[in-house]
Amino acid sequence: NAGVTQTPKFQVLKTGQSMTLQCAQDMNHNSMYWYRQDPGMGLRLIYYSASEGTTDKGEVPNGYNVSRLNKREFSLRLESAAPSQTSVYFCASTPGGVYEQYFGPGTRLTVT
Amino acid sequence: QKEVEQDPGPLSVPEGAIVSLNCTYSNSAFQYFMWYRQYSRKGPELLMYTYSSGNKEDGRFTAQVDKSSKYISLFIRDSQPSDSATYLCAMSIGGSYIPTFGRGTSLIVHP
Repeated sequence: NAGVTQTPKFQVLKTGQSMTLQCAQDMNHNSMYWYRQDPGMGLRLIYYSASEGTTDKGEVPNGYNVSRLNKREFSLRLESAAPSQTSVYFCASTPGGVYEQYFGPGTRLTVT
Repeated sequence: QKEVEQDPGPLSVPEGAIVSLNCTYSNSAFQYFMWYRQYSRKGPELLMYTYSSGNKEDGRFTAQVDKSSKYISLFIRDSQPSDSATYLCAMSIGGSYIPTFGRGTSLIVHP
């Protein structure tokens, strides 16, 4: 039981490049989330998926898109990366009907 | 003003000390309260979860909620160097599974 996994662990992009961050969970959880964490800013919600087939914007969705591929996988795409998107990205999941979340190990992204 | 306020620290204590970590909040509708621990360069992990007011104890950790004061605390007894981490509080309104996080308090326990 791996929990929540994220790939890649590290990535460096040039401004304007695109990439997709992958997240998968093997806990049969219904809801999945994408956060970014910046120094002094705490965790900020980018997008979430309450259940398979649905996605909704969070606090900071601009510049990102998401896909809930199936119940296990939730990907985050940066179409045209900007230096302001340099951050640590965390994926989280929850079974649904509960309030505590389970986080992945994070992806450290640097945009130059 | 953020809905959830948390002093970023760092809080530095000697090994064996009792540590008190706190969050204040402004939204009286919050009912579910969580504490997460985040080691350096790792993802947050759930430490404690409480509903409404009162105390909850788990080993060396005690979570306390005072809804009348809109104040929650996490106490760590007999602190260890392995407790050195950032502690994030989070809280949710009933029926909303989008928690509001504090910015985290950095704790350093030195031997």
